[in-house]
Amino acid sequence: DIVMTQSPDSLAVSLGERATINCKSSQSVLYSSNNKNYLAWYQQKPGQPPKLLIYWASTRESGVPDRFSGSGSGTDFTLTISSLQAEDVAVYYCQQYYSTSMYTFGQGTKLEIK
Amino acid sequence: EVQLVQSGAEVKKPGESLKISCKGSGYSFTSYWIGWVRQMPGKGLEWMGIIYPGDSDTRYSPSFQGQVTISADKSISTAYLQWSSLKASDTAMYYCASGVGYWGQGTLVTVSS
Repeated sequence: DIVMTQSPDSLAVSLGERATINCKSSQSVLYSSNNKNYLAWYQQKPGQPPKLLIYWASTRESGVPDRFSGSGSGTDFTLTISSLQAEDVAVYYCQQYYSTSMYTFGQGTKLEIK
Repeated sequence: EVQLVQSGAEVKKPGESLKISCKGSGYSFTSYWIGWVRQMPGKGLEWMGIIYPGDSDTRYSPSFQGQVTISADKSISTAYLQWSSLKASDTAMYYCASGVGYWGQGTLVTVSS
């Protein structure tokens, strides 16, 4: 199985400042035939299911504010929130969908306001 | 609009059986996989397994193999997750998901004597 490891486990950032969350996979999730990284980012708020923010590592889902961006390739990925808003307080997860039928998640990163 | 609607919360005793459901609508149910995800209280997301409704091909995460059964009835666009003998440690929120980005609202399962 592909193991996804996020860092840090928790993060406190001031309003308006940048937040950066990292995700590392135990093997590459880049599919060479289409040059796509099979990596998604989700946001989960208490009492809600996860919400898709980013797929293909860097494609923003429709309706997601442009302060959210994803980058990286192969085994190392980053979710960046360029200017933190109060409504961004949540737990963030990365997920790989490269490994056939076993779409594992990172352990989550809890984002709070400093 | 793609929707996944899950069955309601359940309270069960240890040793009892349970089957929860996830009904898809707004898309071709047989064209996309459905996965099940466990979230224990205060914990992260765990991938349990997947079913391809078109041919009912089913795969399980090693951690859940033998512990649960995933099935689907494509005639009613519904996937299922079932237990034959629940344990207290099965207490969790269970989500179904289809494709990348479509999630059900979750089913809370509480197992307590």
